[in-house]
Amino acid sequence: DTGVSQNPRHKITKRGQNVTFRCDPISEHNRLYWYRQTLGQGPEFLTYFQNEAQLEKSRLLSDRFSAERPKGSFSTLEIQRTEQGDSAMYLCASSENSNQPQHFGDGTRLSIL
Amino acid sequence: AQSVTQPDIHITVSEGASLELRCNYSYGATPYLFWYVQSPGQGLQLLLKYFSGDTLVQGIKGFEAEFKRSQSSFNLRKPSVHWSDAAEYFCAVGAITGGGNKLTFGTGTQLKVEL
Repeated sequence: DTGVSQNPRHKITKRGQNVTFRCDPISEHNRLYWYRQTLGQGPEFLTYFQNEAQLEKSRLLSDRFSAERPKGSFSTLEIQRTEQGDSAMYLCASSENSNQPQHFGDGTRLSIL
Repeated sequence: AQSVTQPDIHITVSEGASLELRCNYSYGATPYLFWYVQSPGQGLQLLLKYFSGDTLVQGIKGFEAEFKRSQSSFNLRKPSVHWSDAAEYFCAVGAITGGGNKLTFGTGTQLKVEL
């Protein structure tokens, strides 16, 4: 069990650029979650996958955001045309099933210049 | 919709003193409840969870929490705090949706430990 891995750890980009983050869940975990955390706040749910199927998306996930989980393994979160308000920590979590707790990665911190 | 309230934004305790962090939740059914801890620049580490059964749950690092349905509370306790416990603590409630378990977090309590 190597834990949930997220890359990159930090991303600095200019407003208007596209960015992509990657999450590798714990092996055998078929549920994968994305959350966003801004300074001074708790994480907020963005979206959730069961295997390769994206089953739920938050209203926070505007049409500039897209997430995929091809083959039900790693997942990517892409933000197009980044805005200042996208600056946050993006956290990924995985769980074995709905009755097991979620295990979090160390996150990707996004800074928009 | 579920929600979590952590009324204390900051708490300072002396090393060796006892600790209680408050958490109140709102959820229409039997909740799944969690406490996570986050160190600066890091992800969240699970301290303990309540799914069902015994309302007093034990976690890692000597933490425990008690589920009180009548008070909609899930307070975190530790009898003797160590300097390494300084971190931010998040309470969360889980909702089963579409087969998943979407977590709703409180705004966190920042714990400072005085030596």
